[in-house]
Amino acid sequence: GAVVSQHPSWVICKSGTSVKIECRSLDFQATTMFWYRQFPKQSLMLMATSNEGSKATYEQGVEKDKFLINHASLTLSTLTVTSAHPEDSSFYICSALMEWSSYNSPLHFGNGTRLTVT
Amino acid sequence: DAKTTQPPSMDCAEGRAANLPCNHSTISGNEYVYWYRQIHSQGPQYIIHGLKNNETNEMASLIITEDRKSSTLILPHATLRDTAVYYCIVRGGSQGNLIFGKGTKLSVKP
Repeated sequence: GAVVSQHPSWVICKSGTSVKIECRSLDFQATTMFWYRQFPKQSLMLMATSNEGSKATYEQGVEKDKFLINHASLTLSTLTVTSAHPEDSSFYICSALMEWSSYNSPLHFGNGTRLTVT
Repeated sequence: DAKTTQPPSMDCAEGRAANLPCNHSTISGNEYVYWYRQIHSQGPQYIIHGLKNNETNEMASLIITEDRKSSTLILPHATLRDTAVYYCIVRGGSQGNLIFGKGTKLSVKP
């Protein structure tokens, strides 16, 4: 149980275009989803926290107009990278928190999306 | 969230136990210690977590010192597939998210 699915697993796009990444909790409801970004040989950096039915909370330095997050249902959150540039090329990973979860319940992660902007 | 300190890298022989240390000297009383690992180009995989008691599951054992200022993750019989970056994370805060440090790169060698 507790499976988080991310789609696509990889995507190549041209500079200036937008890319949407989906994160789904397959067998549980997630009131909160987190979006991380990971550059090569670096650790995961939290980008934003997405709560179902409300606006996302972005970490300092993350442009909310560039990284649009929508959490329209308890099982789906999307991250749209708008007007992508080569410096946005990275590994994007989502994680989901179960509705009833506490700190005594692990976060579950998707398998990530490798974005390459040419 | 409390910060953690881990060695940047470790080697382990295949079949032997891998003992990965973590220091979290500023941990608060209600914060849990979580361990995740990340195999190259995949999302983090949950391993184990604990509050103050030692824990064991099918993947690993977690030993937390009595003062909770440090812990050790034990992989009892390491295999080549256990080669990964292992993250020790102290979890708390209002949103329940995880803050990742640099982790320990474990290399299991034949």
